Amino acid sequence: DAGVTQSPTHLIKTRGQQVTLRCSPKSGHDTVSWYQQALGQGPQFIFQYYEEEERQRGNFPDRFSGHQFPNYSSELNVNALLLGDSALYLCASSLASGRLYNEQFFGPGTRLTVL
Amino acid sequence: QKEVEQNSGPLSVPEGAIASLNCTYSDRGSQSFFWYRQYSGKSPELIMFIYSNGDKEDGRFTAQLNKASQYVSLLIRDSQPSDSATYLCAVNMGYGGATNKLIFGTGTLLAVQP
Repeated sequence: DAGVTQSPTHLIKTRGQQVTLRCSPKSGHDTVSWYQQALGQGPQFIFQYYEEEERQRGNFPDRFSGHQFPNYSSELNVNALLLGDSALYLCASSLASGRLYNEQFFGPGTRLTVL
Repeated sequence: QKEVEQNSGPLSVPEGAIASLNCTYSDRGSQSFFWYRQYSGKSPELIMFIYSNGDKEDGRFTAQLNKASQYVSLLIRDSQPSDSATYLCAVNMGYGGATNKLIFGTGTLLAVQP
């Protein structure tokens, strides 16, 4: 049973550049959420995709955008990179249901360094 | 006031002891609560979740929820050095279905001394 996968593992960019991160959800899952984790902090919710639409968004600027494909995989795009965007970017997958306790499972993350 | 608060620690316990990790949350309407373990340099790993008042046990782990006090805790019995990690408390601020989002605390660093 394949778990959540993310690529690339590490990425180094310079200020002002753009970056695309990729995520494939756990087999059988249809919802992807993206989180940003700065050093020493808990993950912060960026947004969530379900049925190829952004369903919820956290307190992140429009420089952060995403996409979900028909096979449920997802991309996170960040434009005009700032030094403060350096963080571990985590993708979490879950299965949409009417329950209140949908478990989210995290991928290994992408470590982004902005110089 | 932060939405989800945890003591950053470190919490140091001897091997074999009970480790008690605590978390408070601000949204009284929150319905479900999750505990994740994160080893240094790795991604969070789901330990367990709870959504009803009271205790929920899974092996050496027990989650406790008190919605009236807006308090959730995780007990680890017979702590092992391999339990040394950061423990993240997460609260579901959504409404279930496809709209749930998790709000995390900053995590508590647990150190189990051999």
